[in-house]
Amino acid sequence: DTEVTQTPKHLVMGMTNKKSLKCEQHMGHRAMYWYKQKAKKPPELMFVYSYEKLSINESVPSRFSPECPNSSLLNLHLHALQPEDSALYLCASSQGGQGTGELFFGEGSRLTVL
Amino acid sequence: DAKTTQPPSMDCAEGRAANLPCNHSTISGNEYVYWYRQIHSQGPQYIIHGLKNNETNEMASLIITEDRKSSTLILPHATLRDTAVYYCIVRVLRTSGSARQLTFGSGTQLTVLP
Repeated sequence: DTEVTQTPKHLVMGMTNKKSLKCEQHMGHRAMYWYKQKAKKPPELMFVYSYEKLSINESVPSRFSPECPNSSLLNLHLHALQPEDSALYLCASSQGGQGTGELFFGEGSRLTVL
Repeated sequence: DAKTTQPPSMDCAEGRAANLPCNHSTISGNEYVYWYRQIHSQGPQYIIHGLKNNETNEMASLIITEDRKSSTLILPHATLRDTAVYYCIVRVLRTSGSARQLTFGSGTQLTVLP
Protein backbone atom coordinates (compact mmCIF):
# COMPACT_ATOMS: atom_id res chain seq x y z
CA ASP A 1 0.00 0.00 0.00
CA THR A 2 1.74 3.15 -1.21
CA GLU A 3 -1.17 5.50 -0.75
CA VAL A 4 -1.80 8.56 1.31
CA THR A 5 -5.55 8.94 1.78
CA GLN A 6 -7.11 12.32 2.49
CA THR A 7 -10.69 13.01 3.51
CA PRO A 8 -12.85 14.77 2.66
CA LYS A 9 -11.95 15.50 -0.97
CA HIS A 10 -14.06 18.65 -0.91
CA LEU A 11 -15.16 20.79 2.03
CA VAL A 12 -17.23 23.96 2.12
CA MET A 13 -17.40 25.79 5.42
CA GLY A 14 -18.47 29.10 6.86
CA MET A 15 -16.15 31.40 8.75
CA THR A 16 -17.64 30.38 12.09
CA ASN A 17 -17.53 26.63 11.51
CA LYS A 18 -15.16 24.09 13.01
CA LYS A 19 -14.08 21.28 10.71
CA SER A 20 -11.19 18.84 10.31
CA LEU A 21 -9.18 17.43 7.45
CA LYS A 22 -7.86 13.90 7.85
CA CYS A 23 -4.88 12.09 6.37
CA GLU A 24 -3.90 8.44 6.71
CA GLN A 25 -0.97 6.34 5.52
CA HIS A 26 -0.05 2.70 6.14
CA MET A 27 3.47 2.68 4.75
CA GLY A 28 5.12 2.83 8.16
CA HIS A 29 6.35 6.35 7.47
CA ARG A 30 7.39 8.39 10.50
CA ALA A 31 7.26 11.88 8.98
CA MET A 32 4.04 13.56 7.87
CA TYR A 33 3.42 16.95 6.30
CA TRP A 34 0.69 19.46 5.58
CA TYR A 35 1.02 21.71 2.54
CA LYS A 36 -1.31 24.44 1.30
CA GLN A 37 -1.68 25.20 -2.41
CA LYS A 38 -3.46 28.19 -3.89
CA ALA A 39 -4.58 28.15 -7.52
CA LYS A 40 -1.71 28.29 -10.03
CA LYS A 41 0.88 28.43 -7.24
CA PRO A 42 3.29 25.78 -5.93
CA PRO A 43 2.53 23.94 -2.68
CA GLU A 44 3.67 25.75 0.47
CA LEU A 45 4.73 23.90 3.60
CA MET A 46 2.59 24.42 6.70
CA PHE A 47 3.55 21.78 9.27
CA VAL A 48 5.87 18.82 9.65
CA TYR A 49 5.48 16.00 12.15
CA SER A 50 8.42 13.74 12.87
CA TYR A 51 7.84 10.64 15.00
CA GLU A 52 4.45 12.07 16.03
CA LYS A 53 5.95 15.31 17.31
CA LEU A 54 5.51 18.68 15.65
CA SER A 55 8.92 19.60 14.28
CA ILE A 56 8.15 22.47 11.92
CA ASN A 57 5.43 25.12 11.99
CA GLU A 58 5.92 27.60 9.15
CA SER A 59 4.34 30.49 11.08
CA VAL A 60 0.86 29.24 10.29
CA PRO A 61 -2.04 31.16 11.92
CA SER A 62 -3.52 29.51 14.99
CA ARG A 63 -6.86 29.01 13.23
CA PHE A 64 -5.10 25.98 11.72
CA SER A 65 -4.33 23.36 14.38
CA PRO A 66 -2.49 20.16 13.42
CA GLU A 67 -2.71 16.92 15.34
CA CYS A 68 -0.89 13.61 14.95
CA PRO A 69 -2.75 11.01 17.07
CA ASN A 70 -0.47 8.19 15.94
CA SER A 71 2.13 7.43 13.30
CA SER A 72 -0.50 6.63 10.64
CA LEU A 73 -2.84 9.59 11.11
CA LEU A 74 -2.56 13.32 10.66
CA ASN A 75 -5.38 15.79 11.21
CA LEU A 76 -5.73 19.48 10.47
CA HIS A 77 -8.35 21.19 12.62
CA LEU A 78 -9.91 24.30 11.13
CA HIS A 79 -11.64 27.07 13.07
CA ALA A 80 -12.67 30.62 12.25
CA LEU A 81 -11.13 30.50 8.80
CA GLN A 82 -11.13 33.36 6.33
CA PRO A 83 -12.15 33.24 2.65
CA GLU A 84 -8.48 33.64 1.70
CA ASP A 85 -7.83 30.26 3.36
CA SER A 86 -9.66 28.60 0.49
CA ALA A 87 -7.11 26.31 -1.14
CA LEU A 88 -6.07 22.73 -1.83
CA TYR A 89 -4.62 21.18 1.34
CA LEU A 90 -2.13 18.41 0.65
CA CYS A 91 -0.90 15.79 3.08
CA ALA A 92 2.34 13.89 2.51
CA SER A 93 4.44 11.30 4.28
CA SER A 94 8.01 10.08 4.08
CA GLN A 95 10.10 7.33 5.62
CA GLY A 96 12.30 9.55 7.69
CA GLY A 97 15.59 8.34 9.08
CA GLN A 98 17.80 6.76 6.45
CA GLY A 99 15.16 6.62 3.74
CA THR A 100 15.49 8.14 0.28
CA GLY A 101 13.61 11.27 1.26
CA GLU A 102 10.82 10.69 -1.23
CA LEU A 103 7.54 12.29 -0.17
CA PHE A 104 4.28 10.54 -1.01
CA PHE A 105 1.37 12.93 -1.45
CA GLY A 106 -2.35 12.44 -1.12
CA GLU A 107 -4.82 13.80 -3.66
CA GLY A 108 -5.63 16.74 -1.43
CA SER A 109 -8.69 18.23 0.23
CA ARG A 110 -10.14 21.21 -1.60
CA LEU A 111 -11.42 23.71 0.94
CA THR A 112 -13.79 26.57 0.22
CA VAL A 113 -14.45 29.11 2.97
CA LEU A 114 -17.57 31.22 2.49
CA ASP B 1 18.22 24.25 0.05
CA ALA B 2 19.66 25.71 -3.13
CA LYS B 3 17.42 27.77 -5.39
CA THR B 4 16.38 26.41 -8.78
CA THR B 5 15.34 28.14 -12.00
CA GLN B 6 13.00 26.53 -14.53
CA PRO B 7 11.25 27.87 -17.64
CA PRO B 8 7.60 28.64 -16.84
CA SER B 9 6.20 26.61 -19.72
CA MET B 10 7.12 24.19 -22.51
CA ASP B 11 5.29 22.30 -25.24
CA CYS B 12 6.13 18.88 -26.59
CA ALA B 13 4.62 16.79 -29.36
CA GLU B 14 3.09 13.49 -28.31
CA GLY B 15 5.52 10.61 -28.83
CA ARG B 16 8.57 12.85 -28.84
CA ALA B 17 11.07 13.24 -26.02
CA ALA B 18 10.38 16.04 -23.54
CA ASN B 19 13.52 17.66 -22.16
CA LEU B 20 12.91 19.83 -19.12
CA PRO B 21 15.86 21.97 -17.96
CA CYS B 22 16.67 23.15 -14.47
CA ASN B 23 19.41 25.50 -13.29
CA HIS B 24 20.79 25.12 -9.76
CA SER B 25 24.06 27.03 -9.87
CA THR B 26 24.37 27.34 -6.07
CA ILE B 27 23.97 23.62 -5.37
CA SER B 28 26.29 22.31 -2.68
CA GLY B 29 28.11 19.00 -2.56
CA ASN B 30 25.62 17.16 -0.38
CA GLU B 31 22.48 18.32 -2.17
CA TYR B 32 20.51 16.05 -4.45
CA VAL B 33 18.34 17.01 -7.41
CA TYR B 34 14.75 15.80 -7.12
CA TRP B 35 12.00 15.96 -9.70
CA TYR B 36 8.29 15.85 -8.94
CA ARG B 37 5.30 16.49 -11.13
CA GLN B 38 1.75 17.58 -10.41
CA ILE B 39 -1.03 16.71 -12.77
CA HIS B 40 -3.92 19.15 -12.56
CA SER B 41 -5.85 18.91 -9.27
CA GLN B 42 -3.81 15.95 -8.03
CA GLY B 43 -1.07 15.67 -5.43
CA PRO B 44 2.58 15.95 -6.52
CA GLN B 45 4.19 12.71 -7.65
CA TYR B 46 7.84 11.74 -7.22
CA ILE B 47 9.66 11.08 -10.49
CA ILE B 48 13.38 10.66 -9.89
CA HIS B 49 16.36 12.00 -7.96
CA GLY B 50 20.14 12.01 -8.33
CA LEU B 51 23.41 13.38 -6.95
CA LYS B 52 25.91 13.52 -9.80
CA ASN B 53 25.51 10.44 -11.95
CA ASN B 54 22.81 10.17 -14.56
CA GLU B 55 19.80 8.22 -13.35
CA THR B 56 17.04 6.34 -15.16
CA ASN B 57 13.88 4.68 -14.00
CA GLU B 58 10.64 3.55 -15.59
CA MET B 59 9.30 7.10 -15.73
CA ALA B 60 12.22 9.26 -16.82
CA SER B 61 15.93 9.92 -17.08
CA LEU B 62 17.86 12.56 -15.17
CA ILE B 63 20.98 14.06 -16.69
CA ILE B 64 23.14 16.16 -14.34
CA THR B 65 25.99 18.22 -15.78
CA GLU B 66 29.52 17.50 -14.58
CA ASP B 67 29.68 20.73 -12.58
CA ARG B 68 26.21 19.93 -11.16
CA LYS B 69 24.99 23.46 -11.86
CA SER B 70 22.17 22.27 -14.07
CA SER B 71 20.15 19.19 -14.93
CA THR B 72 17.64 17.93 -17.47
CA LEU B 73 14.68 15.66 -16.92
CA ILE B 74 13.92 13.57 -19.98
CA LEU B 75 10.57 11.92 -20.66
CA PRO B 76 11.56 9.68 -23.59
CA HIS B 77 8.15 9.31 -25.28
CA ALA B 78 5.77 11.93 -23.97
CA THR B 79 2.06 11.14 -23.85
CA LEU B 80 -0.94 13.39 -23.24
CA ARG B 81 -1.02 12.08 -19.66
CA ASP B 82 2.40 13.64 -19.05
CA THR B 83 0.86 17.12 -19.24
CA ALA B 84 1.63 18.51 -15.78
CA VAL B 85 3.68 21.00 -13.79
CA TYR B 86 7.19 19.64 -13.28
CA TYR B 87 9.14 20.76 -10.21
CA CYS B 88 12.92 20.59 -9.87
CA ILE B 89 13.96 20.66 -6.21
CA VAL B 90 17.41 20.63 -4.66
CA ARG B 91 17.88 19.41 -1.12
CA VAL B 92 20.06 17.33 1.12
CA LEU B 93 19.22 13.64 1.28
CA ARG B 94 19.68 13.23 5.00
CA THR B 95 19.60 15.61 7.92
CA SER B 96 19.99 15.12 11.63
CA GLY B 97 16.22 14.85 11.95
CA SER B 98 13.91 12.44 10.24
CA ALA B 99 11.74 14.88 8.31
CA ARG B 100 13.06 16.43 5.13
CA GLN B 101 10.46 18.72 3.67
CA LEU B 102 10.31 19.73 0.03
CA THR B 103 10.36 23.41 -0.92
CA PHE B 104 8.64 23.86 -4.27
CA GLY B 105 9.61 26.53 -6.78
CA SER B 106 7.38 27.71 -9.60
CA GLY B 107 8.03 24.69 -11.83
CA THR B 108 7.53 24.19 -15.58
CA GLN B 109 4.09 23.66 -17.09
CA LEU B 110 4.63 20.96 -19.71
CA THR B 111 1.88 20.63 -22.28
CA VAL B 112 2.00 17.56 -24.51
CA LEU B 113 0.27 18.31 -27.79
CA PRO B 114 -1.51 15.68 -29.92
